[in-house]
Amino acid sequence: EVQLVESGGGLVQPGGSLRLSCSASGFTFSNYAIYWVRQAPGKGLEYVSTINSNGVTTYYADSVKGRFTISRDNSKNTLYLQMSSLRPEDTAVYYCVTRITLIYWGQGTLVTVSS
Amino acid sequence: EIVLTQSPGSLSLSPGERATLSCRASQSVSSNYLAWYQQKPGQAPRLLIYGASSRATRIPDRFSASGSGTDFTLTISRLEPEDFAVYYCQQYGSSPYTFGQGTKLEIK
Repeated sequence: EVQLVESGGGLVQPGGSLRLSCSASGFTFSNYAIYWVRQAPGKGLEYVSTINSNGVTTYYADSVKGRFTISRDNSKNTLYLQMSSLRPEDTAVYYCVTRITLIYWGQGTLVTVSS
Repeated sequence: EIVLTQSPGSLSLSPGERATLSCRASQSVSSNYLAWYQQKPGQAPRLLIYGASSRATRIPDRFSASGSGTDFTLTISRLEPEDFAVYYCQQYGSSPYTFGQGTKLEIK
């Protein structure tokens, strides 16, 4: 069974940093691209960033470009999102998502940016 | 970037009625890589449809979808009480994998 489990969320002050992790199981992690999606409270879904299977190619939404860095460790079956210069508008539930014919989502981790 | 526009923004119907939701793309969706999700408060999105018309695992057959290119439709043939939720479309054919703004399906 495919499972994605996010962790690392929490409360952080504006301008601060946080690293999210997504632990994957139930499939050959190194074979698939994987990405982050976020959802601000009461709002819709917003694509954040993608990384390809070997970690060479990445893509970022304009809203996070230059502040967030996506990476992966295929030996640990883990995806990361390093977030810096955080803003209140980055407050959201962050989901990791992958496509293996079907599209699989984790349950999300909440990031709150507030003083 | 492909912009997805969902209509209507909200829909008020009664159980047993038919719901038709639309998702229009600003340019053609590559390989018809279009997904539909259902989301309830406090939950992650639930995949209903992938590849524009294929039902995901354990999705009831009252959910169906069609479309290609730039116009896509999700139909719920006979609404059950548990179907009242927010529905999103997503294209995953080209980065960034954009989402529509959602359609809120409410009980009348």
